[in-house]
Amino acid sequence: AQTVTQSQPEMSVQEAETVTLSCTYDTSESDYYLFWYKQPPSRQMILVIRQEAYKQQNATENRFSVNFQKAAKSFSLKISDSQLGDAAMYFCAYRSATYGSSNTGKLIFGQGTTLQVKP
Amino acid sequence: GAVVSQHPSRVICKSGTSVKIECRSLDFQATTMFWYRQFPKQSLMLMATSNEGSKATYEQGVEKDKFLINHASLTLSTLTVTSAHPEDSSFYICSARKGRGPPVGGNTIYFGEGSWLTVV
Repeated sequence: AQTVTQSQPEMSVQEAETVTLSCTYDTSESDYYLFWYKQPPSRQMILVIRQEAYKQQNATENRFSVNFQKAAKSFSLKISDSQLGDAAMYFCAYRSATYGSSNTGKLIFGQGTTLQVKP
Repeated sequence: GAVVSQHPSRVICKSGTSVKIECRSLDFQATTMFWYRQFPKQSLMLMATSNEGSKATYEQGVEKDKFLINHASLTLSTLTVTSAHPEDSSFYICSARKGRGPPVGGNTIYFGEGSWLTVV
């Protein structure tokens, strides 16, 4: 079974600075997707960025970028020029790319990291 | 983008009663929906996978008779908490999978806004 681990329960960053959130995962599959979700106080799940495992190039979305190390099974999120609105809980998630009775396309989440942004 | 609506957003019920939460995909057909439970400052715990026209698949440790899931149409799945108790109080969130077969493209899952359940 796949697992996702986020070892940083809480992180803080000064506004305009850069912060990196860590995520490791365990899987025996070769094809999968990885995601970072943001959950603000409203509790709405917001997709931040996604990475296809078959792509070597790290995904980037504006101020958000990932460092995907497939061999190390690591998938960290870097937030540049942090803004007050970035304060939220961030979840790393795994999703199998295969589909069948045991893989229904479900997301497997890490424990989450609460990010505080200091003005 | 695709929209998933969850209703009600907040509900308070008396202990021993049942409460139903709806999850609707508004602009796409969802053959598969997922129900999660989230405790404060914790992760989303998958409760069950809801498949249109068939029985839901429950995760280990989740009581099927307590958390009834029905996916009667391609746009609606419901979670009914039966004989609710205060320990069932939590945040419940659904997500819907757009499309069928392998998750080509990765991002075909859309989340509802969630529902706060308080059992008094």
